[in-house]
Amino acid sequence: EIVLTQSPGTLSLSPGERATLSCRASQSVSNNYLAWYQQKPGQAPRLLIYGASNRATGIPDRFSGSGSGTDFTLTISRLEPEDFAVYYCQQYGSSFTFGPGTKVDIK
Amino acid sequence: EGQLVESGGGLVQPGGSLRLSCSASGFSFSASAMHWVRQFPGKGLQYVSAISSDGSGTDYTGSVKGRFTISRDNSKNTLFLQMSSLRPEDTAVYYCVRRIHGYDYWGQGTLVAVSS
Repeated sequence: EIVLTQSPGTLSLSPGERATLSCRASQSVSNNYLAWYQQKPGQAPRLLIYGASNRATGIPDRFSGSGSGTDFTLTISRLEPEDFAVYYCQQYGSSFTFGPGTKVDIK
Repeated sequence: EGQLVESGGGLVQPGGSLRLSCSASGFSFSASAMHWVRQFPGKGLQYVSAISSDGSGTDYTGSVKGRFTISRDNSKNTLFLQMSSLRPEDTAVYYCVRRIHGYDYWGQGTLVAVSS
């Protein structure tokens, strides 16, 4: 099973700042089948990025994904108030596993 | 925009059974692979089970094999998860999701609590 590790566990930033979230896989993710999700309290997760770098429908362009193999990054170029949430990565190249999440909170 | 609505969760004693349902609308359900994903109280997410668009192929995570059964009725746009021999560690919010590239549609979730 591919294990995903996310860092940092918590990221404290101010609106307008840049957020960089990391997801590392225990082995190479096939075809870079790596997705990112955003979850707010009381809501289901929402797909942001699939295939490591493709934005899902309706996702603002301040969200971008990059990386390949075992190292992936989600970048939020300028944090908006609604972006403070928990972010999960998921690999779907070999079965399906999720990372433990990174919480982005207001500094 | 696709919509998924789960139902059937609740409180059940260890060893008991529950059947979850998920009603789909707004997209081609019969052409979509569907999964169940659960979120534990500590917030971790876990893939539970998958079914192909025509129902001919299924898959399960190891901890539920032999206890859970996924099925679908494409004539009614409905996905099911039959859960038996439930354990306290099955306590979670269960989400029905559509799998295209990652999981693009999620239901609101239904809570399953296993406790005596």
